[in-house]
Amino acid sequence: KAGVTQTPRYLIKTRGQQVTLSCSPISGHRSVSWYQQTPGQGLQFLFEYFSETQRNKGNFPGRFSGRQFSNSRSEMNVSTLELGDSALYLCASSPGGRPSEQYFGPGTRLTVT
Amino acid sequence: AQTVTQSQPEMSVQEAETVTLSCTYDTSENNYYLFWYKQPPSRQMILVIRQEAYKQQNATENRFSVNFQKAAKSFSLKISDSQLGDTAMYFCAFMNWNNNDMRFGAGTRLTVKP
Repeated sequence: KAGVTQTPRYLIKTRGQQVTLSCSPISGHRSVSWYQQTPGQGLQFLFEYFSETQRNKGNFPGRFSGRQFSNSRSEMNVSTLELGDSALYLCASSPGGRPSEQYFGPGTRLTVT
Repeated sequence: AQTVTQSQPEMSVQEAETVTLSCTYDTSENNYYLFWYKQPPSRQMILVIRQEAYKQQNATENRFSVNFQKAAKSFSLKISDSQLGDTAMYFCAFMNWNNNDMRFGAGTRLTVKP
């Protein structure tokens, strides 16, 4: 099976802009979670989607949003970008149903200037 | 809220030797999962090993094994016969039984020296 894929891999945006990141889970996986990884804050949970519904949410401002499509692909959107949003954004998928180990994609490296 | 603590920011080990990475966590839950993930330099996160809290037997995956002490809320990772390819950041992670919200420790940077 193909692994989790994320596009784009690298992105440079300007403060105030918005950005959309995409994640395709492993075939058959219905849960997609998003994480932000920074040197200062480490890995932080953003949100999880399962069957097109947000099932869990971390402690991030409303500028961070997401959605999931019927084919389980997920997108994450960040509006009004701030310099502090520069990070590696990781997507992870799992079968769904019950919590279990998650399989990570390579990440999208976002740089805000 | 659950917290995960990795008290060793950096460690090094000689090739072929054994190393143990520490992890403690705080939770009031009785059922949960614990994981160790590995993130090699500039490469993606890989699951190393997982442990269900209800299982008393420590998980083992080839050269990787854990020492799970539920009462002490401790979950250490032992790497035997270390290889150069084991050089990576290692993250300990906690997940509730009924929730896919995974909490990570700050990570331990392990360097395997030839």
